[in-house]
Amino acid sequence: AQSVAQPEDQVNVAEGNPLTVKCTYSVSGNPYLFWYVQYPNRGLQFLLKYITGDNLVKGSYGFEAEFNKSQTSFHLKKPSALVSDSALYFCAVRDIGDSSYKLIFGSGTRLLVRP
Amino acid sequence: GAVVSQHPSWVICKSGTSVKIECRSLDFQATTMFWYRQFPKQSLMLMATSNEGSKATYEQGVEKDKFLINHASLTLSTLTVTSAHPEDSSFYICSAHPPSLVHEQYFGPGTRLTVT
Repeated sequence: AQSVAQPEDQVNVAEGNPLTVKCTYSVSGNPYLFWYVQYPNRGLQFLLKYITGDNLVKGSYGFEAEFNKSQTSFHLKKPSALVSDSALYFCAVRDIGDSSYKLIFGSGTRLLVRP
Repeated sequence: GAVVSQHPSWVICKSGTSVKIECRSLDFQATTMFWYRQFPKQSLMLMATSNEGSKATYEQGVEKDKFLINHASLTLSTLTVTSAHPEDSSFYICSAHPPSLVHEQYFGPGTRLTVT
């Protein structure tokens, strides 16, 4: 069975500092991995994805994530946080062998960037 | 980018009534759409996969007779919450992907349902 773990309910960081939001996954085969961001009372916005190729993936708003197969991780990072980055972040996984396109989401991590 | 809309954005209804939520792909056709439910401060729970022209596929534990899904066209899927109860109050979100972007799900803005 597929699963995603986001071990931190909340991450606090000062503006201008680097941020990391952690994600680990479990799939039976190879994964497709995704990060989404959600602002209050809004749907999810796509940030970035890992499908194949370079393990370091760059996405929207200066975010990036690194796929680490040995550690089954896909942590989200940003070199310099902005107050406007404060939101709820979801990691999601799909097994390459799953033709249904279903995404399994982690529990979410709330990022709070203080001025 | 691909746009998915939902209507209404919020709805309040009385217990026992039914509510219909629409999900539309505005600039692409979608043979498959997904319906999620999100409780406050929690993750998204996949409820069902909506398939154009055929029956929806429900996740384990989701009552298909309570959450009726109809995918009548390539741009529209509807979720009807029948005989709603206060415990059905939640944030419902749909998603879809363009045929050319199978690895990217685009999400609607969500519908806040409150059952009184």
